[in-house]
Amino acid sequence: EDQVTQSPEALRLQEGESSSLNCSYTVSGLRGLFWYRQDPGKGPEFLFTLYSAGEEKEKERLKATLTKKESFLHITAPKPEDSATYLCAVQVNDYKLSFGAGTTVTVRA
Amino acid sequence: KAGVTQTPRYLIKTRGQQVTLSCSPISGHRSVSWYQQTPGQGLQFLFEYFSETQRNKGNFPGRFSGRQFSNSRSEMNVSTLELGDSALYLCASSFGGTVSGNTIYFGEGSWLTVV
Repeated sequence: EDQVTQSPEALRLQEGESSSLNCSYTVSGLRGLFWYRQDPGKGPEFLFTLYSAGEEKEKERLKATLTKKESFLHITAPKPEDSATYLCAVQVNDYKLSFGAGTTVTVRA
Repeated sequence: KAGVTQTPRYLIKTRGQQVTLSCSPISGHRSVSWYQQTPGQGLQFLFEYFSETQRNKGNFPGRFSGRQFSNSRSEMNVSTLELGDSALYLCASSFGGTVSGNTIYFGEGSWLTVV
């Protein structure tokens, strides 16, 4: 059974205080690892897809990296508008995403 | 470019009733999948359709069903509703066909409350 574990569950940051979120996974046949951002009451918003170990992608203050067993989402100099729940999901051979429980990030001004 | 559209956004049903939720994928996308999101279980995969065929199904009882039409629009149905079916139901779409390279986009979801 695919397993996706995100840590920490919650993260409180001061504006400008950089940090990292972790997503560890146990799957067979990883096809892609996805990061989404979800605001309260809304659907997940796509951020990144990573396909192979060593791959990195950046978007504004966010940077995602992938190893063979885990992925990190680095938030550099966060702003209050970066407050959200960040979801990690893995896609294997059978066309579905298996999600972690998410990390809720709160950035205080 | 329009995103994934789900209707209705909010609905309240009584135990034992049935409900149908609708999803219009992004234009050109042929794969539609459905997920249930609850505070306790997080996001869980329900099923995925591609070109009107169900390709994969999650671990949900037979009360949960879906279908896809020739224009790629999809519906999911839940019969004999239970209190535990209260959740945010999310639809997602992608080009489909091959797994790699397909970005999967989500709609805003349909909030179902069962009373």
